[in-house]
Amino acid sequence: DAGITQSPRYKITETGRQVTLMCHQTWSHSYMFWYRQDLGHGLRLIYYSAAADITDKGEVPDGYVVSRSKTENFPLTLESATRSQTSVYFCASVGSGTGRTGELFFGEGSRLTVL
Amino acid sequence: LAKTTQPISMDSYEGQEVNITCSHNNIATNDYITWYQQFPSQGPRFIIQGYKTKVTNEVASLFIPADRKSSTLSLPRVSLSDTAVYYCLVGGLQGGSQGNLIFGKGTKLSVKP
Repeated sequence: DAGITQSPRYKITETGRQVTLMCHQTWSHSYMFWYRQDLGHGLRLIYYSAAADITDKGEVPDGYVVSRSKTENFPLTLESATRSQTSVYFCASVGSGTGRTGELFFGEGSRLTVL
Repeated sequence: LAKTTQPISMDSYEGQEVNITCSHNNIATNDYITWYQQFPSQGPRFIIQGYKTKVTNEVASLFIPADRKSSTLSLPRVSLSDTAVYYCLVGGLQGGSQGNLIFGKGTKLSVKP
């Protein structure tokens, strides 16, 4: 089915371990984003990507690594997870071309707990 | 980057019109104003987008004054199911922020019977 999907939906890991959250979209949207949302708080931008092989930092990039070798995939890696990275992570995508922001489409979220 | 300021929370009753205002004093020429709705445990969902004046769709209206330093989301006749967090997002994918789309803290709307 068309859409944007995230995996895993739930993940528990330990401090110091590497974790990768996957994001896949089927629309061939140019832009993709990773946000984190802590309990009771708003969304904070981690990284974004304007196209394959083009990524840039957002508000809170420290401790995260992204790559975008294919347009449809935008994985987020926590190289050495810390407790402060316990959060819900949302991936989003949007097309481009008109100059407008357009409609951001969000995934269901990945809930990560770091023990 | 255009920062946004919204009220933290608002209360309303079913059937009332709700207006949520967002301030964005340093909005750039290329920036659009977009509002999203988020329910617990879900990703935000697009409501409406505008550049200037008034925009209306089947669920909401968006009012933007000439100076574009603020915007108001208007929800007509709210119901209990409109209880959610509403985010104002200012930005654009060309010129301006080039994808650095930063959300504000959002407004938690509670609709009571």
